[in-house]
Amino acid sequence: SYELTQPPSVSVSPGQMASMSCSGDKLGDKYCCWYQKKPGQAPVLVIYQDTKRPSGIPERFSGSNSGNTATLTISGTQAMDEADYYCQAWDSSTGVFGGGTRLTVL
Amino acid sequence: EVQLVESGGGLVKPGGSLRLSCGASRFTFSTYTMAWVRQAPGKGLECVSSIISSSNYIYYADSVKGRFTLSRDNAKNSVYLQMNSLRAEDTALYYCARELRVGPLTTGAFDLWGQGTMVTVSS
Repeated sequence: SYELTQPPSVSVSPGQMASMSCSGDKLGDKYCCWYQKKPGQAPVLVIYQDTKRPSGIPERFSGSNSGNTATLTISGTQAMDEADYYCQAWDSSTGVFGGGTRLTVL
Repeated sequence: EVQLVESGGGLVKPGGSLRLSCGASRFTFSTYTMAWVRQAPGKGLECVSSIISSSNYIYYADSVKGRFTLSRDNAKNSVYLQMNSLRAEDTALYYCARELRVGPLTTGAFDLWGQGTMVTVSS
């Protein structure tokens, strides 16, 4: 079965850039999206089709996808961005999530 | 307000059954692919099942195949997840989610989520 691998944690200082990766076999050949998940809240879509931001998502969120790795980047990270982030793609009509990365804003 | 509202969760014994419901409001439900995504305590997200607008194609994760059945009633703007032969590992918060469409095209991403309904499988 298809797997997406994310680092368990990433730390960043306020105002700095945070990057987190999502790896999967030939992930660049698929569309990848990203969700922000805070405790007690439903997931929020922050990036879809590799690079697109839904309405209402701040411009500091951006995404890329090439080869075997997709990347979510948050520029000028704010305290409110502290959350778990999940990547997601489809393989053989199967929806697959990565294990999630906890972003800590120190 | 555009929203999804889940119901039907609860405490059930191993081997038991539950039926989850998800009601949609303020969007053209019949044109969207819908899905159930769960999160076990302390764990990540898992796409359990999804159903396209016409119900002609339904996907199940291997972990629930043969035990869960997904259906929808477009006239009632609702989607249902029948869960049978429940196991302890099915304990999770179950979210209903809508697949984002851009014009007539689907994107594979879920842009609208409910608040979830908790399912606990324990003796």
